[in-house]
Parts: sequence; C-alpha cells; structure tokens
Amino acid sequence: DAKTTQPTSMDCAEGRAANLPCNHSTISGNEYVYWYRQIHSQGPQYIIHGLKNNETNEMASLIITEDRKSSTLILPHATLRDTAVYYCIVKLTFGKGTLLTVNP
Amino acid sequence: DVKVTQSSRYLVKRTGEKVFLECVQDMDHENMFWYRQDPGLGLRLIYFSYDVKMKEKGDIPEGYSVSREKKERFSLILESASTNQTSMYLCASGVRQGRILEQYFGPGTRLTVT
Repeated sequence: DAKTTQPTSMDCAEGRAANLPCNHSTISGNEYVYWYRQIHSQGPQYIIHGLKNNETNEMASLIITEDRKSSTLILPHATLRDTAVYYCIVKLTFGKGTLLTVNP
Repeated sequence: DVKVTQSSRYLVKRTGEKVFLECVQDMDHENMFWYRQDPGLGLRLIYFSYDVKMKEKGDIPEGYSVSREKKERFSLILESASTNQTSMYLCASGVRQGRILEQYFGPGTRLTVT
C-alpha cells in the first residue's frame, strides 16, 4: 500500500503562504492524493484532492510533481485559524501529518 | 451540510466490558469508516463498510468488530475492552465518485479503558 511522509511540524507567519510538502513515492498510477486537516478537538476536514494536474479551490492549491511522487499543499495567505495538523493521504492511509503553526 | 454524529464525546469503561461506539450519518453515503487516533501514530483505519451488511478489515482490526445493519449507522464493537484500546475513535462517512472518495468525519469519541 502507498504510504506518505510529511515533516512533523512547520511554522508560518500570518499572511504569508504556507507550503506543506508530502512524499508519496510508492503511489500507484490511478491513486488520488488527498489532503485533510484537523483542528484541535475536531475530526479531520477534507481540503482538496488531485491525480496529476495541479488543483485549486477556495481553501488551498495542490501542486503534484510530474512523476507523482510528491505534492505540496499551498495555503496562499495563512491565518491563525489555519493552525492545525495537515494530513496527506493516499487511499485510506493517513499517517502522522504535519502540525502547522501560524504565528502572528 | 453533511453531518456525522457519534454517540458520545467521552466514554469510560472497565477492562473486559463490551463496548459499543455508534456512528450515524445523514447523507445517504454508501461508505463508512472507523479510525483510531493515538499520539505519534496519526489516524489508523480499523474497519470500513461500503454497503449495508458489508465490512472490510482495515490496518488494525484485531480486538474490534463492526456492524452495519442500516445504511446510516455503523457501529464499532470492542468485545472485551482492554487498556490498550484507550484512544480517540473517529468515524467517517464518504461518497465515492468514480475513484474519488471524500470523507466526512464525526467529532470523535475519546474512550478510556481502566
């Protein structure tokens, strides 16, 4: 099964872009990459998904490398409310996620 | 909005007790999931169901069973609770569009087994 690797934690200044990387080097050709986030004491919340092309929605942008072995979630203007654990997942394997702390 | 509800936010049980965790979704989703979340380990999939009366083992099914008698309800059962099952349990439901599956999570049940 495909697994993902993410940094344990990252910091970002409020108003700046937050770029969260994920490695999924064993991903299969037809598997999607999903991103979720979990704010303290809540269940995870879906953010975005992608297969090959870059994707953007009202919450974030997703950049997937051409070889599909890694991706980056971009929060273009991070706010304090974006402080959360961000999970990059393939299939149903969540992993440990990245704790993003947005600082004032 | 999709709503996934779990029967309790906090639960305390004794070792050896039979424990039922209930999850209900209101969006007519085919797929439902049970995860546990532990510090340093992230979310791990216990069981999932893609239809009524259907179930599939996830990554860590040992010590658990599930029941899906109705589409909207997915129950996680600990036949004989043990202290190593103390954890946060998260239920999710999901709709599949082709190969895309988007999950909606409940608020979680924090179970303590003493």
